[in-house]
Amino acid sequence: QQQVKQSPQSLIVQKGGISIINCAYENTAFDYFPWYQQFPGKGPALLIAIRPDVSEKKEGRFTISFNKSAKQFSLHIMDSQPGDSATYFCAAIPPNSGGSNYKLTFGKGTLLTVNP
Amino acid sequence: DAGITQSPRHKVTETGTPVTLRCHQTENHRYMYWYRQDPGHGLRLIHYSYGVKDTDKGEVSDGYSVSRSKTEDFLLTLESATSSQTSVYFCAIRPGTPYTGELFFGEGSRLTVL
Repeated sequence: QQQVKQSPQSLIVQKGGISIINCAYENTAFDYFPWYQQFPGKGPALLIAIRPDVSEKKEGRFTISFNKSAKQFSLHIMDSQPGDSATYFCAAIPPNSGGSNYKLTFGKGTLLTVNP
Repeated sequence: DAGITQSPRHKVTETGTPVTLRCHQTENHRYMYWYRQDPGHGLRLIHYSYGVKDTDKGEVSDGYSVSRSKTEDFLLTLESATSSQTSVYFCAIRPGTPYTGELFFGEGSRLTVL
């Protein structure tokens, strides 16, 4: 059972455009939603994360928008650059996951290509 | 760098042979994880460890075993490799405290089973 559904699978954007990646979750108990960025040949790395008590978080050109009632969250990349070309994964973590019960559920990923 | 080294980085092997992938960390973190990444499936958890000799199964553990005899090393073993285990394997680590929910990943080990 896939608990985090990510779309689209791939996305092509022109330089300077806005990239939007969407995720929907099923488990209302999730309380932490990170996004990971992965460049070819590298491991994923945390990009930005949000908790459900806020509706939006912005870090530079990257913004997470969170809709708790719809159980959806999205990543917006403003002024997209060729260097942003990577695979992006959304993820979700349930509460009280600091110990051995830590469970990070990933979406299937979105391959973003930003054309120059 | 998160202080994670995976070895080997690339390996080609034949069906039925045993394979061991090694994850070495210099961060002294308590928690270590093995994921596999496949097109269309994203990242899936194979096994994880929450301390020396303490391990548990993830969602795709069949055909894999792990061992952790030292804090710094987490080994993933394929007892008898199959073509379905062709994948890129990632090790990840996480500190126990402070809890941030962040995983730090290695650079991956690409395994091809012929």
